[in-house]
Amino acid sequence: ETGVTQTPRHLVMGMTNKKSLKCEQHLGHNAMYWYKQSAKKPLELMFVYSLEERVENNSVPSRFSPECPNSSHLFLHLHTLQPEDSALYLCASSQGVVRTDTQYFGPGTRLTVL
Amino acid sequence: GESVGLHLPTLSVQEGDNSIINCAYSNSASDYFIWYKQESGKGPQFIIDIRSNMDKRQGQRVTVLLNKTVKHLSLQIAATQPGDSAVYFCADASSGGYNKLIFGAGTRLAVHP
Repeated sequence: ETGVTQTPRHLVMGMTNKKSLKCEQHLGHNAMYWYKQSAKKPLELMFVYSLEERVENNSVPSRFSPECPNSSHLFLHLHTLQPEDSALYLCASSQGVVRTDTQYFGPGTRLTVL
Repeated sequence: GESVGLHLPTLSVQEGDNSIINCAYSNSASDYFIWYKQESGKGPQFIIDIRSNMDKRQGQRVTVLLNKTVKHLSLQIAATQPGDSAVYFCADASSGGYNKLIFGAGTRLAVHP
């Protein structure tokens, strides 16, 4: 266990559905991240939050909407997704956003868009 | 653009042998790298890091070598065990901004008894 949990672990949704992914970290960290891991591309950073403020949006389409209500929780709201958005979505946290702050990853949510 | 690439997608080794996983990078200004291990059904896990002021760094059964001249790094695992079976990623942690990691494609290590 890394101290980062994600729910659900698996999600199947239609293109018109709205769903949310949840991440919780129990490490007392101040930074949280969303990554996308697909079969054909390397792990890609999507968003970075530091002290509940979004500090990085890596050119992610607006159909992905992150939310960080407090430093322990991070959500990714999904709406009108495309089949190519099917992937493993990983959450991570770190003490801060200095590059030597190790990122701890959750197990991911496997998303399938039909 | 900046990229981190891997030489081989899959590496098969016998239990007890040493494993070497390679990684090339393109940005000569890159100065900090991290190796991650991802087991099936889990997220990536930090293994070891290295800064450009070092050529070699050792951990428990792992050694990372950095050759800045040819922009190459490698992860060596001694006495490979079945529990080492996983996908290994190198990540360039040099970018400015907020702890941004640029991951390579990954190498799958399969350990056979």
